[in-house]
Amino acid sequence: RKEVEQDPGPFNVPEGATVAFNCTYSNSASQSFFWYRQDCRKEPKLLMSVYSSGNEDGRFTAQLNRASQYISLLIRDSKLSDSATYLCAVSLFGGSYIPTFGRGTSLIVHP
Amino acid sequence: DADVTQTPRNRITKTGKRIMLECSQTKGHDRMYWYRQDPGLGLRLIYYSFDVKDINKGEISDGYSVSRQAQAKFSLSLESAIPNQTALYFCATSDPYSGTSGRDTTSTDTQYFGPGTRLTVL
Repeated sequence: RKEVEQDPGPFNVPEGATVAFNCTYSNSASQSFFWYRQDCRKEPKLLMSVYSSGNEDGRFTAQLNRASQYISLLIRDSKLSDSATYLCAVSLFGGSYIPTFGRGTSLIVHP
Repeated sequence: DADVTQTPRNRITKTGKRIMLECSQTKGHDRMYWYRQDPGLGLRLIYYSFDVKDINKGEISDGYSVSRQAQAKFSLSLESAIPNQTALYFCATSDPYSGTSGRDTTSTDTQYFGPGTRLTVL
C-alpha cells in the first residue's frame, strides 16, 4: 500500500458545484497534513494546512479523520479558476521527517 | 522577486551530457529539497538537505548528485544524462519550526517550491 494515495480523477464538475476529494495515508503516526494546489506546468503552492479540528478558508474546507486515516478537501461553489491538480502531503511531526506527497487529484470545472 | 528561483527554466540536452540545475532561495530556510515530477507519478524526492553540512538521499537519488554551496543555494547535477531523466524538476525549501496554530501543535513544515526546470534529454 502506498504511503499516501489519491484518486487521480479527473473530477469534471460544472461551475457552482460542490466537490470533495479524499487522501488516505498509511502511517497512523502522521501528524502534519496539507493540501497543495498545482496549476498546469506550475509549481505546487500551499492551499491550506489540515488541523485536527478542521480548517476552513472561504469556499475551501479541509478535514482530518484520524480513525480512518484520511484527509478531505471540500470545495463549494466551484469556479472555473479552481481547475487544477490538488496534492495532499502528509508527514510525521517535526524532526527529520519529510512530507510525502500524493500523486494529485485533477479537477476540471466547466461552464 | 520570487523567494525560490531555479535556473535554467528549460533545458534540452543530449544523452551523456553533464547537466547542473541551480536553486536559490531568499527565505532564510535551512531545509532544501530537490524533486522530480513525472506525469502520473507525482512528486518524488531526489535529495534533501537540512543545513549546509547535511545531504541526504531521497527516494530516487541514483544518477543524481547535489551540492549545498550555502544556506541559500542547492544545486542538482546529472553526471551523465539519460532520456528517462526527462522530467519537471522542482526545488523546494521549508522551515519546520515556524510555529503552531491555536490549540493544534502541528508542524507547519510548509514546502515552498521554485518555478521548476523542464529538462528534456534526447
